[in-house]
Amino acid sequence: DIQMTQSPSSLSASVGDRVTITCRASQTISPYLNWYQQKPGKAPELLIYATSSLQSGVPSRFSGSGSGTDFTLTISSLQPEDFATYYCQQSYSAVMYSFGQGTKVEIK
Amino acid sequence: QITLKESGPTLVKPTQTLTLTCTFSGFSLSTNKVAVGWIRQPPGKALEWLAHIYGNGDEKYCPSLKTRLTITKDTSKNQVVLTVTNMDPVDTATYYCAHLQGGTNRYYFDHWGQGTLATVSS
Repeated sequence: DIQMTQSPSSLSASVGDRVTITCRASQTISPYLNWYQQKPGKAPELLIYATSSLQSGVPSRFSGSGSGTDFTLTISSLQPEDFATYYCQQSYSAVMYSFGQGTKVEIK
Repeated sequence: QITLKESGPTLVKPTQTLTLTCTFSGFSLSTNKVAVGWIRQPPGKALEWLAHIYGNGDEKYCPSLKTRLTITKDTSKNQVVLTVTNMDPVDTATYYCAHLQGGTNRYYFDHWGQGTLATVSS
């Protein structure tokens, strides 16, 4: 099984801050890494796919990077609507997909 | 426009079987580059991938739950059904179905249903 570990588990930030969330896989998974945003009581929404491709309609302040086992989601200037929980997910393994444990972004 | 909606019982008893239906529109589940998957989320916890089925009928299951899961599709009804046997209180969760888009070097869940909460309790 491929394990996905996100860090930090939670963070506090202010509007306008640059925020970085890290996701580490237990083995190489490039480029099969996706990022989702989930707000309370809502279904997750796709932000980034294949490591760095921005999903249609997602603001350009979101970006993804990485390779091998280490990946990053960056929010260049945090907006009020970005306070949410973020999940990474690997689709490298043909027999098992897996999600990270989530990173909650809270208002400072 | 792609939409998906989950349906199923809100309450099941321990040891019973949970049957969930995902009814979708806006795409055809007929190729090996498109699938419908199920993901669950216990209250306050992380997302957990359960299974998905491709248009060509190929099925994938979470290894730790494989003996309890069955996923099927009815292309004529635009539905995908997930059954989970021997339900336990730890299986209490919101169950989501989602459209899986595949391509060269990429597979991702780009459309999700609203989710349905299934509670396991006697």
